[in-house]
Amino acid sequence: EDKVVQSPLSLVVHEGDTVTLNCSYEVTNFRSLLWYKQEKKAPTFLFMLTSSGIEKKSGRLSSILDKKELFSILNITATQTGDSAIYLCAVAPTSGTYKYIFGTGTRLKVLA
Amino acid sequence: GAVVSQHPSRVICKSGTSVKIECRSLDFQATTMFWYRQFPKKSLMLMATSNEGSKATYEQGVEKDKFLINHASLTLSTLTVTSAHPEDSSFYICSARSQGGEQYFGPGTRLTVT
Repeated sequence: EDKVVQSPLSLVVHEGDTVTLNCSYEVTNFRSLLWYKQEKKAPTFLFMLTSSGIEKKSGRLSSILDKKELFSILNITATQTGDSAIYLCAVAPTSGTYKYIFGTGTRLKVLA
Repeated sequence: GAVVSQHPSRVICKSGTSVKIECRSLDFQATTMFWYRQFPKKSLMLMATSNEGSKATYEQGVEKDKFLINHASLTLSTLTVTSAHPEDSSFYICSARSQGGEQYFGPGTRLTVT
């Protein structure tokens, strides 16, 4: 059965700290891995990763994929209170249904 | 970027009534839309995949007669929660798949059944 597991489930840090969120997967016919940030409403897209070893960056956020070890990490440096959210990892298989398999999410809280 | 809207954003209904939620892709055509349910502090749970012009594909454990899905056009899918009960109270989110393969999420609908 396909599954995506995120760790930790929750995390509390102070502003300025650096955090690393983990996402491991066991998915048949992997196509891509995506990271989303969810605050009070629906998830907003952060990154899509398809190739191993290529880091994607957006400001203080970066992410990388390891297709051999089947995991990805999302790094946030110099955290701010506005980074407080649930971070969701999803894997898109190559099957014809196009559906994503979501992980459990990591709830991040950044304290001032 | 691609925009997906949902209506209503929030709805309160009485037990036994039905509620319809609309999901629209505003600036692109989506042959495939997805409906998710999210419980408090939990991840998204896929309920069904909605394909334009054909029947929806439901995930295991999701009652198709309870959650009616219609994908009448390339920009609109609807989810109707029939004979709603308090346990149906949840946050319902749709997403629409673009031709490029990305899924864009709607803002969600918070349903409360009293």
